[in-house]
Amino acid sequence: KAGVTQTPRYLIKTRGQQVTLSCSPISGHRSVSWYQQTPGQGLQFLFEYFSETQRNKGNFPGRFSGRQFSNSRSEMNVSTLELGDSALYLCASSSVGQSSGANVLTFGAGSRLTVL
Amino acid sequence: GEDVEQSLFLSVREGDSSVINCTYTDSSSTYLYWYKQEPGAGLQLLTYIFSNMDMKQDQRLTVLLNKKDKHLSLRIADTQTGDSAIYFCAETLGDSWGKLQFGAGTQVVVTP
Repeated sequence: KAGVTQTPRYLIKTRGQQVTLSCSPISGHRSVSWYQQTPGQGLQFLFEYFSETQRNKGNFPGRFSGRQFSNSRSEMNVSTLELGDSALYLCASSSVGQSSGANVLTFGAGSRLTVL
Repeated sequence: GEDVEQSLFLSVREGDSSVINCTYTDSSSTYLYWYKQEPGAGLQLLTYIFSNMDMKQDQRLTVLLNKKDKHLSLRIADTQTGDSAIYFCAETLGDSWGKLQFGAGTQVVVTP
C-alpha cells in the first residue's frame, strides 16, 4: 500500500508569491490533515478535511487555505508569502470515521518551502 | 492553551534503555502517540496508547500512561544508533480526528 505522497518535496519562492502544495493520502483514507513545522514553533495544526469538508482549522491567517477533492487528495495554498512561512509542511491521512480503532495519522515526507 | 511538554535532549549509550517523558494537558484525550522524526524526513508513527490503558508493549517499545498525573513515557529497550532521532509525543484534542497537539520533541542521541 503506497504511503502518503506530498509534492513538491522542495520549493523556493519569493515574498509576495503564492504556493500550492499537494497531498495524496493512503488509498482508502478520507481524512487528511495538514501541519506546519518550524524550528521556532514546532508542529502546528493547519487544517483537517474529511470527505471534502473542512472539520477543523488551526490558528493561522486567512492567507492559508486548503481544500479536499472527491478522490480525497488535498491541496493547501499560501498566498502573499512571508519569510516566516518558510517551513516543512506535513500532510497526514487516516481512516478514522471509516473503521473502528485508533485514529492513526500516517504522515508524508513533507514539502519544504523556503521563502526568500 | 494546550501545551504538551517534553524534555528537549537525551543522550544514551548504545545497548542501554532510553526513557522519554511527556506531560500532556487534555484529560479528555482519547489517544496519545509517539512519533519519530529522522533528519529530512516526515513523522513516523512508533506507537500509540488508548487513554483507558496503563501500559502498552510493542517489541522494544514500552509506553506507560499515568492519567492522574497526565504523564506519558516511552521506553526504548536496547537502544541502537538507528534510534537517534527526534521523538514527539502527541495527544488528540477533544473530539477531533486529525488534530493533534504535539510536544516540542526530544532529541535522542545514541553514542557507541
